[in-house]
Amino acid sequence: KQEVTQIPAALSVPEGENLVLNCSFTDSAIYNLQWFRQDPGKGLTSLLLIQSSQREQTSGRLNASLDKSSGRSTLYIAASQPGDSATYLCAVTRTNDMRFGAGTRLTVKP
Amino acid sequence: NAGVTQTPKFQVLKTGQSMTLQCAQDMNHEYMSWYRQDPGMGLRLIHYSVGAGITDQGEVPNGYNVSRSTTEDFPLRLLSAAPSQTSVYFCASSYLQREVDEQFFGPGTRLTVL
Repeated sequence: KQEVTQIPAALSVPEGENLVLNCSFTDSAIYNLQWFRQDPGKGLTSLLLIQSSQREQTSGRLNASLDKSSGRSTLYIAASQPGDSATYLCAVTRTNDMRFGAGTRLTVKP
Repeated sequence: NAGVTQTPKFQVLKTGQSMTLQCAQDMNHEYMSWYRQDPGMGLRLIHYSVGAGITDQGEVPNGYNVSRSTTEDFPLRLLSAAPSQTSVYFCASSYLQREVDEQFFGPGTRLTVL
């Protein structure tokens, strides 16, 4: 059974700092890995999707990496801003099945 | 495009009542799914569908029914609500679960069962 773990559960940083969020999974037979952002009381917004054959994806200040063999992904956020405060979720997809981590709650202080 | 829409946004039920959570998408996606989100546990898959007339169980299907009569709609039915079903429910859709397929999520329905 696929298990997805995100560490840390919560993170607080000052504005401008670069930071890394971690995601690990137990079964490397995945189609892709997605990183989502969730604001309080809202739905999920897709940030980045990494296909199983890819090593990383970039969008603006966000960079996500994938190491399937070790079952790890990282989300790097450069020059963090208060508007980045949210919960970040990673999810791995196998046939017709998407498994989520519990998320990292990020607070960026002005 | 409206994307993925869900109704209602909020609902309070008494134990034993039944109700249907509605989900619709206008992107012609084959794949649709329902998740529940509980504090500290992330999202868990309840049921999914790969096309009209085809549904299957996910990780936590007990107490829920689904049907898919059209490509656009995928309602979730609670037959006899229990307090353990208090949660936030999300509907999602994509073309199909392949490498490049990005999942799109609705805004969620917050359900409380008393």
